[in-house]
Amino acid sequence: EAGVAQSPRYKIIEKRQSVAFWCNPISGHATLYWYQQILGQGPKLLIQFQNNGVVDDSQLPKDRFSAERLKGVDSTLKIQPAKLEDSAVYLCASSGGTALNEKLFFGSGTQLSVL
Amino acid sequence: QQQVKQSPQSLIVQKGGIPIINCAYENTAFDYFPWYQQFPGKGPALLIAIRPDVSEKKEGRFTISFNKSAKQFSLHIMDSQPGDSATYFCAATLSGNTPLVFGKGTRLSVIA
Repeated sequence: EAGVAQSPRYKIIEKRQSVAFWCNPISGHATLYWYQQILGQGPKLLIQFQNNGVVDDSQLPKDRFSAERLKGVDSTLKIQPAKLEDSAVYLCASSGGTALNEKLFFGSGTQLSVL
Repeated sequence: QQQVKQSPQSLIVQKGGIPIINCAYENTAFDYFPWYQQFPGKGPALLIAIRPDVSEKKEGRFTISFNKSAKQFSLHIMDSQPGDSATYFCAATLSGNTPLVFGKGTRLSVIA
């Protein structure tokens, strides 16, 4: 079974630039999450999708972050414009089955450095 | 607002030792408590989980102890090995579709 795929693996940009991350979840998984993991901290949820609808985006900084999951499969997370404090690993996760939050499968993440 | 507090921040044990990582939660409605293991350069992976209707759960060398009245749970790793060196995160949630809330993580180093 293929895991959660994310790209790019690393990204270095200057502040005020824009950046996009891509995620392809495990086939058949209806729920997709984007988490932000700042160095030395636990993952923090940014947005949760159920199929192509948003379930929870309460912690997404909507003035600069946006995410979409067209067709309910892969997803893109965008930051525009980036700030220094956005430097973090951006993790995508997916889950399926009846208890959707009980086993999350994470990708390896995209490490973003904002200079 | 940090709903799950994890300690210690880092831990060094010798091979064969029993590291213990503790977590405390605030929301009494939480009913699912997983532990995730993360190796450098990888995403977290589910290790073991417990529900509040039991006080202990074992899977191989990993054990969760749960104290509902104290709102605390802990991870014990028996006969720890260098390959267990990783960052461990506790988490909590309501069963269903509510997002996991993670602790800040514990970096474990097992030295030979």
